[in-house]
Amino acid sequence: QITLKESGPTLVKPTQTLTLTCTYSGFSLSASGVGVGWIRQPPGKALEWLALIYWSDDKRYSPSLRSRLTITKDTSKNQVVLRMTNMDPVDTATYSCAHSRYSTKDFDYWGQGILVTVSS
Amino acid sequence: QSALTQPPSTSGSPGQSVTISCTGTSSDIGNYNYVSWYQQHPGKAPKLIIYGVTKRPSGVPDRFSGSKSGNTASLTVSGLQAEDEADYYCSSYAGSDNFAVFGGGTKLTVL
Repeated sequence: QITLKESGPTLVKPTQTLTLTCTYSGFSLSASGVGVGWIRQPPGKALEWLALIYWSDDKRYSPSLRSRLTITKDTSKNQVVLRMTNMDPVDTATYSCAHSRYSTKDFDYWGQGILVTVSS
Repeated sequence: QSALTQPPSTSGSPGQSVTISCTGTSSDIGNYNYVSWYQQHPGKAPKLIIYGVTKRPSGVPDRFSGSKSGNTASLTVSGLQAEDEADYYCSSYAGSDNFAVFGGGTKLTVL
């Protein structure tokens, strides 16, 4: 079965860079049509898509956050890494990674998420 | 402010049907048949319940159905059950430069 799990710091200071890792199993990110995305959700608020990486290494970013985001993959480790620079308290949220299908443009399997708090 | 507009809340009694709307633009919902809906219970990860506007993943009850007309998509939950009480989010593909836009979410209360 497909599983994903996020890991990384739960507390970062303003202006710091956040690095989150998504470790997945049950699928290959080298297989055609497969992608992994990152989505965040501030406490009590809505979902917001951040970034997506495809099996081909094609990358997509939220237009509003593009300048701060970098997504990479390491298929040998079954991991996808998201970096977000210049963190601010408004970036406090639960960050989740999810499996995506190129053919349907959705997120069909999600990780449990990791709550990241930005505070000095 | 979310890209897609949903009503903040809705409610219904057990056995009734409710419909949640999701309004976008001609750049997202109106231009692509890639609308998906997610159900999220408190403290849990979102769960995909509708994709491709009308399709249900394996294991999702047929009480959940989706549709689209113009720039507005809809999720209908028929035969409401207590376990349907949750937050529901719509999402749409918005082109190669903006993979996914989400709605603000709708809290469904089963009375």
